[in-house]
Amino acid sequence: DAKTTQPNSMESNEEEPVHLPCNHSTISGTDYIHWYRQLPSQGPEYVIHGLTSNVNNRMASLAIAEDRKSSTLILHRATLRDAAVYYCILRGNTPLVFGKGTRLSVIA
Amino acid sequence: EPEVTQTPSHQVTQMGQEVILRCVPISNHLYFYWYRQILGQKVEFLVSFYNNEISEKSEIFDDQFSVERPDGSNFTLKIRSTKLEDSAMYFCASKLGLATNTGELFFGEGSRLTVL
Repeated sequence: DAKTTQPNSMESNEEEPVHLPCNHSTISGTDYIHWYRQLPSQGPEYVIHGLTSNVNNRMASLAIAEDRKSSTLILHRATLRDAAVYYCILRGNTPLVFGKGTRLSVIA
Repeated sequence: EPEVTQTPSHQVTQMGQEVILRCVPISNHLYFYWYRQILGQKVEFLVSFYNNEISEKSEIFDDQFSVERPDGSNFTLKIRSTKLEDSAMYFCASKLGLATNTGELFFGEGSRLTVL
């Protein structure tokens, strides 16, 4: 899988929007952009995925740059429960490969 | 909501002992996975399993590891002779569909293995 780059950590205030960036300049045309998160002491959890167009679901939105070399996961209103490590993963025809992700802290 | 369940939640074993970690994937899922996470480190892929055979494995998954789907519901990971460095959280995951690059993986809560 192609490499992604994410900030090690970010901080947000509760009930404010959070934009988690991910750079993937070597993405190939068939790679999907996946986001998973891992809450403390839990297994990873699927958040969202997309290919070219922006995507929305009940958990988050995914904004994908026109050249697909970067993307942003948007949590519209952060809650304390959203404190987790967020992983941006490019996925071709291989299993998910996790990087170090971004550790999001949410301040009450 | 259907979920992946894993047992035991925590196992302590002596070095050199055999360990079997058990997983019950979501019932209609076709693809099964084991990952592990050493404390403070990344989640690492071990093996994927489809149609009763291993479809892909990582370098970590050496001859000491094996997987099996002994019946229609369980998916097991066996470590034949545990080493200290096998101490980790082991996550089972399953996926429904055939599309390898889009399907959502559902993870269990993990089994913590401590090797003394």
